[in-house]
Order: sequence, then C-alpha cells, then structure tokens
Amino acid sequence: QVQLQQSGPGLVKPSQTLSLTCAISGDSVSSKNAAWNWIRQSPSRGLEWLGRTYYRSKWYNGYAVSVKSRIIISPDTSKNQFSLQLNSVTPEDTAVYYCTRTSDGVNDFWGQGTLVTVSS
Amino acid sequence: QSMLTQPPSVSGTPGQRVTVSCSGGTSNIGRDIVSWYQQLPGTAPKLLISGDNQRPSGVPDRFSGSKSGTSASLAISGLQPEDDADYYCGTWDGSLNGWVFGGGTKLTVL
Repeated sequence: QVQLQQSGPGLVKPSQTLSLTCAISGDSVSSKNAAWNWIRQSPSRGLEWLGRTYYRSKWYNGYAVSVKSRIIISPDTSKNQFSLQLNSVTPEDTAVYYCTRTSDGVNDFWGQGTLVTVSS
Repeated sequence: QSMLTQPPSVSGTPGQRVTVSCSGGTSNIGRDIVSWYQQLPGTAPKLLISGDNQRPSGVPDRFSGSKSGTSASLAISGLQPEDDADYYCGTWDGSLNGWVFGGGTKLTVL
C-alpha cells in the first residue's frame, strides 16, 4: 500500500517561500509508472493542480501556467520523497496543499493535506 | 473557476439513486479518462472511480461511473448516510498539460 506523508510549516509570511515535502512509502519516486503531483484546495479556487515530477529514463517536470514562474517541484531519490517550493507567496496562496501519486491516469493516493496560511 | 462543471449540490434519501454530472470539453473529458473522488469533511480526497468505471479495492459497487463524449457521470445507488460528502471529477487536459477538476458537488443524504 502506498502512503504519502507530508511535512512542512503551516504559516508563511507574504513574499517568502512556501516549502513542503512528501515522503513516499510503498513505491519509488523514480518509478517509471507514476507521476508525483502537488495539488491545492481553497474555497475560492477549488482543487487546483500545481505541477508534477516524474521519471522516464530522465526527470521531467510540468507546472500549471498560473504558478509556472514561481514554482519548483523536485525529487529526492536518496530519501524517496519530493518537494514543493512556491516563491513570492501572497494571501491568495493560502490553501490546503496535497501531494498525490498519479498512476494509470488517476490520482490514486493522496497525502493527508497541509493547511498553509500566508500571513504576516 | 473550475475547468470541469459540476452541480454544486444534489440530495437524496437513504436507498435512493442519485447521479452527479461532470461536463468538460474535447481537450479533457473528450480525450482522456475521468476519475471521481470522494472527500469527507476534514479529510483528503479519496479515489472512488478509476478510469471510466473501475472501482479501487474497498469501494462498494453502489458507486459507478460513465462517460459520453465530453461529459461524465457518477451514479450512487442505494444511498447510505455515510455517502454524505463532497464529490469531484478530474481528468488530464491535453491543451493545458495539467490536471483539471470540477468544482465539487455536495451530496446531502436527507
């Protein structure tokens, strides 16, 4: 059974960087049959896909246009995890953030969620 | 503004059958598989329907999915009180090169 365990701060100041990590058990971040995503949820935006990282003989990333200029999603093979960095945050980035695994075209496993509040 | 359109709410009484619709376009539902997610209060969404009508292990066969053209539907038969939750559809969008989701439907079991 795949499990995704999220960690990271729940409060970030405006203009600073939001950083979250998703530790994977039961699968490998380097799996050629999976992609690893960050998705957020807020009352105003609903479920919003932010981006993904995946390995297919080399590493690939994909990002949503809405955050492309300030997001980095990176794998850490030594710790079997992946992370999210979102720069220059504003109160609009306040949301519950989820990491997920995509396999066979569906998000079949989700992390527990992290409420991140952007406030001074 | 969500890329996929769902009704904000549906309701039913125990034992009834309800459906939740999900409307999209040719770049998303029209070209890729649709999945459905159930979210109970205070918890992460959970995969309910995999592909166009595949249920992960543990999901009752009261839940079923279908797709036609650029629309999809989730049907729940024999409603149970524990089905009271939010339901989301999602799929890959080939034009945006990213996942898109519906705005969610709140199912109330009366």
